[in-house]
Amino acid sequence: AQTIHQWPVAEIKAVGSPLSLGCTIKGKSSPNLYWYWQATGGTLQQLFYSITVGQVESVVQLNLSASRPKDDQFILSTEKLLLSHSGFYLCAWTRNSGNTLYFGEGSRLIVV
Amino acid sequence: GEQVEQLPSILRVQEGSSASINCSYEDSASNYFPWYKQEPGENPKLIIDIRSNMERKQIQELIVLLDKKAKRFSLHITDTQPGDSAMYFCAASPPTGYQNFYFGKGTSLTVIP
Repeated sequence: AQTIHQWPVAEIKAVGSPLSLGCTIKGKSSPNLYWYWQATGGTLQQLFYSITVGQVESVVQLNLSASRPKDDQFILSTEKLLLSHSGFYLCAWTRNSGNTLYFGEGSRLIVV
Repeated sequence: GEQVEQLPSILRVQEGSSASINCSYEDSASNYFPWYKQEPGENPKLIIDIRSNMERKQIQELIVLLDKKAKRFSLHITDTQPGDSAMYFCAASPPTGYQNFYFGKGTSLTVIP
């Protein structure tokens, strides 16, 4: 069975500090990977997607960047956090031939 | 890109009654329509989905209807229970090389005991 793990579970960070959120999926080779952002009480906004190692496409940047250094790993980062970056970050995956989207447990970020 | 409208944003029903959430989309090429349930502090979980080759799908108390001509789809929860209280999101996915999902703004459902 496929498992998706996100880290950290939660963070409180200062404005202007760097951020790195990670996601690992096990049990599935060559998945499509996605980063979503959800403001408190808000909808799910797709930020990035990746269909293969080393290739990431931006949907909405929000002064964030993403990388896929390994087939099973997706990283979201920024060098300088803004207050507006607060929210719930969700990694998700689909099979590369299917379109059922599964979310990870999420990383909650509070920027102060 | 695709736009998905979801109504109502807030829904309160009595336990045992039915709850209905409606979504509409713009891109006639969209061919996959999932529904997610999100409880406070948790990730969204897929509860039911429907593809464009179907008009109706039921899983236990969940019924999804799809009207491709009107570009509308809906979720109906029959015999609601307090455990059904949560945020619900609909989404539409057009066929692309990857899968892009456009989500509605969500419906907060409260089932009153």
